[in-house]
Parts: sequence; structure tokens; C-alpha cells
Amino acid sequence: GAGVSQSPRYKVAKRGQDVALRCDPISGHVSLFWYQQALGQGPEFLTYFQNEAQLDKSGLPSDRFFAERPEGSVSTLKIQRTQQEDSAVYLCASSLGGTGAGNTIYFGEGSWLTVV
Amino acid sequence: GENVEQHPSTLSVQEGDSAVIKCTYSDSASNYFPWYKQELGKGPQLIIDIRSNVGEKKDQRIAVTLNKTAKHFSLHITETQPEDSAVYFCAAKPQSGYSTLTFGKGTMLLVSP
Repeated sequence: GAGVSQSPRYKVAKRGQDVALRCDPISGHVSLFWYQQALGQGPEFLTYFQNEAQLDKSGLPSDRFFAERPEGSVSTLKIQRTQQEDSAVYLCASSLGGTGAGNTIYFGEGSWLTVV
Repeated sequence: GENVEQHPSTLSVQEGDSAVIKCTYSDSASNYFPWYKQELGKGPQLIIDIRSNVGEKKDQRIAVTLNKTAKHFSLHITETQPEDSAVYFCAAKPQSGYSTLTFGKGTMLLVSP
């Protein structure tokens, strides 16, 4: 497709369940980012991939969060043993090149996670 | 790390008025400053960006100004329309090494007909 595609768009999970969120970046984009956006807040960085390499995971809030991009294209963000504080919108973004200032970052519509 | 402050948190204007949203950043190495518009239930959409080698950029009714000395940048929307109503986020990104966007907390703009 023309833009960053995320699925599912909406997910309700019971506390303790594992969830997997998928991101299809724009075709050919080297860089892929995951952000977490709490209600009424700006997006906060979780992790960054350049092709299949995860270069930065400093924003992942705990070891329950795991991301992968095994073939340098589609990425999956996995959250194990979900807790209520994990409820947020998870945004995926991609850019054509690396993280230099010349590379515009495009966002997907987000996956809305509610943990009950 | 970078810290971005954004004001105001909400802004109400009448259709046709101008709207100004201001941001400050902390990292003097930042050199890329995009603005995103986010409508309810959607992801952030880039509306304009500016790099540190220019002080102002315009695109129809939207303009962004940058003052690197003072470390602040602003979004200006003229002749506002109801469809401009949304949450606007500023962001900053340093050039050096690996870096990603740091966002402000957002401004909810309400344009009344």
C-alpha cells in the first residue's frame, strides 16, 4: 500500500494475555520506529530498526516488550503478560533512509490496545 | 536527551482567525523540526517541517519559524477553517549519530464556525 499499515487497529486484551501488533512499513523504507502514545500525550519512542537490525530499544518500558523485524520489512511488537498500564495507542513509523534530518518519518494509523 | 515543551495545550479560535503554537527544545544539536496533525482515531500526519539551515518555511496557509539561538520554533496557521481542528504536535531531532523524534505533548486546536 501507499502508507504505513498496522494491524489490528483495535485490540482488547485481558490482563495477563500476550498480544502481537503488526506493522507493514512503506515499501523500501529502511528505517522503522515504534512509538507508544498514551491518551492526551505525545508519542514516545520505544524502539528503532534499520533494516533487520534493532539499533535502539532504549524506550521499551520493560522486558515484557519485544520487537522484531526479521527480514527488514514487516515488524511485530509483542507485549507479554499485558497490564493495564500498557493500554495506549502503539504507532509504527517508517522513513526511506536512516535517521538523518533529510528523512521524513511517516506514521501509521496506530493499534489501539486496551487491557481490561 | 532532548526535551520539547509545547504551548498552549488547547487553543480555541474563530474561523478565519490565525492560530500560533509554540515549542521550545533543549538540545542545541537538534536540526530537524517537523509538525504533525493528528485527527481523532488516526495517526500523526506530517504537515510541514523545517531544517536548521532556514529560519522560515511556508506552505499555503501554514508557516513555521525557527529561532536556533533561542531554541524555539512556532507553527502559524492563517485563515483557520473548521477542518483545521485537530491535535498538533511539534517534534525535534538531532543530527548527530542515531537519533529519533522527540515530541511535545500536543495542542488541541478548536476552530469554531
